[in-house]
Amino acid sequence: RKEVEQDPGPFNVPEGATVAFNCTYSNSASQSFFWYRQDCRKEPKLLMSVYSSGNEDGRFTAQLNRASQYISLLIRDSKLSDSATYLCVVNYGGSQGNLIFGKGTKLSVKP
Amino acid sequence: DTAVSQTPKYLVTQMGNDKSIKCEQNLGHDTMYWYKQDSKKFLKIMFSYNNKELIINETVPNRFSPKSPDKAHLNLHINSLELGDSAVYFCASSRGNTIYFGEGSWLTVV
Repeated sequence: RKEVEQDPGPFNVPEGATVAFNCTYSNSASQSFFWYRQDCRKEPKLLMSVYSSGNEDGRFTAQLNRASQYISLLIRDSKLSDSATYLCVVNYGGSQGNLIFGKGTKLSVKP
Repeated sequence: DTAVSQTPKYLVTQMGNDKSIKCEQNLGHDTMYWYKQDSKKFLKIMFSYNNKELIINETVPNRFSPKSPDKAHLNLHINSLELGDSAVYFCASSRGNTIYFGEGSWLTVV
């Protein structure tokens, strides 16, 4: 069973649309959760951490459901510059080397 | 000012050759990593070092040998390159909950 699963997409949406990505993880001992963004031929960069109470950063909202072991990312009012691959990342404790990356969900925002 | 820098960015080499990728971070982090991202875009950890000591060594062929001369540097040496080694190799460093990646080294074995 894959440890972190995401719908690979691509999600093709028009500008201004709201889009949501889900991610499931298999290890119930997982302790911290993140969304990273990776542009084409670039390195992954931290987009936001995901907290149990849910958190928002501008147009981005992340939520965590520990009981169901899934994480979500909601992007409102999509911009062309949001086009990228979004990686769900789970840390099941210990050093940062225990980060498990999902394969990513590709988003393409069209004019 | 590049936080995590790795060289070379692009490398094309023949099967059987030995090559190295260098990595340096100027963030003062204690922990450094090597990740591999294959053609299917799956990002997987290879090695983790904390203050020059090996912490994580995932199931990686022993043709891959990391070396950390000091906590700001983590180099990756690959012996007897194979076609399947073609991938993007990302160096990274961290303190706390955030990992900072280098720009990646695109390795193509022909």
